[in-house]
Amino acid sequence: GDSVTQMEGPVTLSEEAFLTINCTYTATGYPSLFWYVQYPGEGLQLLLKATKADDKGSNKGFEATYRKETTSFHLEKGSVQVSDSAVYFCALSMGKAAGNKLTFGGGTRVLVKP
Amino acid sequence: DAGVIQSPRHEVTEMGQEVTLRCKPISGHDYLFWYRQTMMRGLELLIYFNNNVPIDDSGMPEDRFSAKMPNASFSTLKIQPSEPRDSAVYFCASSRTVGGEREKLFFGSGTQLSVL
Repeated sequence: GDSVTQMEGPVTLSEEAFLTINCTYTATGYPSLFWYVQYPGEGLQLLLKATKADDKGSNKGFEATYRKETTSFHLEKGSVQVSDSAVYFCALSMGKAAGNKLTFGGGTRVLVKP
Repeated sequence: DAGVIQSPRHEVTEMGQEVTLRCKPISGHDYLFWYRQTMMRGLELLIYFNNNVPIDDSGMPEDRFSAKMPNASFSTLKIQPSEPRDSAVYFCASSRTVGGEREKLFFGSGTQLSVL
């Protein structure tokens, strides 16, 4: 079945460091890809998405490019802040045909220290 | 809109008791999802509804779990009897298939369930 694999955390960084979180997927068709973020004590929020190959999603300084050839959707941010400390989830959806349901990776905890 | 509303935020109960979790999706959304989050298994999809009809309940762990959606603005997830291994954070999410922000899931704040 469809699945998402992302790097295990925790990832500990200093403020202004560069962040990369790797994500690869396995799917039978052409999924839409997402990054969700979960701040402490809260539900997940959509961070960015890409719906087709070579699309780049971006939001709040984060970027991820849909790479069909490597089945990847790595998340990057050039200069992290303490407020970026959270758990980040990569996810895929096969769209309306699959009920819009999301298949999530295991999550990567990021801790940014001042 | 107030977003997806879940209640209670925290639930502590004893093994064997019945637990009912509640969810109010965003108005106009036609899909509703129940997820469970644990350290060991991450985020698991338990069941989802489309227009109040259960579509896929293959993620429901066993017969002790049941979910209903009697109308477009309310859903429940019931565990009877509860067991310590059911301790987790349970999230409800909703989405719509038409208009803007399709495929975007909106999550509630979750219910932290502890079964002693």
